[in-house]
Amino acid sequence: DAKTTQPNSMESNEEEPVHLPCNHSTISGTDYIHWYRQLPSQGPEYVIHGLTSNVNNRMASLAIAEDRKSSTLILHRATLRDAAVYYCILSRTGNQFYFGTGTSLTVIP
Amino acid sequence: EPEVTQTPSHQVTQMGQEVILRCVPISNHLYFYWYRQILGQKVEFLVSFYNNEISEKSEIFDDQFSVERPDGSNFTLKIRSTKLEDSAMYFCASKGQGFPTYEQYFGPGTRLTVT
Repeated sequence: DAKTTQPNSMESNEEEPVHLPCNHSTISGTDYIHWYRQLPSQGPEYVIHGLTSNVNNRMASLAIAEDRKSSTLILHRATLRDAAVYYCILSRTGNQFYFGTGTSLTVIP
Repeated sequence: EPEVTQTPSHQVTQMGQEVILRCVPISNHLYFYWYRQILGQKVEFLVSFYNNEISEKSEIFDDQFSVERPDGSNFTLKIRSTKLEDSAMYFCASKGQGFPTYEQYFGPGTRLTVT
């Protein structure tokens, strides 16, 4: 599976939007873009996924570049509970995930 | 909401001993996974399991490791002879269908400490 690049850490003020970027320049045409997050002392949890079109769900939005070489996870209003490590993962099958180091998001009250 | 459970939450064992980590996936799920996370490091894929056999495994998953679904509910990871470097959080995950659009549900993890 292709590699992803994310900033090591980001900060956001509570109640403000957060844009978490991910670069995946070697993405293949059949790779899905998955986002998971890991809250402190917990297992990873699903956030959102997409293939080509932008996606919205109750947790977040996913904006995918037209060439699919990058994507951005958008948390519309960050809360303290959103403080976590966010992982951007590419997978054709969705059956084994190779996690990178992710982005550690700090939410400032 | 259904969830993946894992037992024990913390296991301490001596080097060379065998350990079995247990997971109860979500009841109607068909795909099962084990991952591990050494303290302060990234989550690493170990193995995926479907239809009572291993479908994918990583380089980490060597002959010391085995997985089993002994009955209709449990999914286990066995480490035959533990080493100090096996100390890590072990996460079980399950998925309902094989399509990439289905999410994996992760359990809370078992912390394995090898002394």
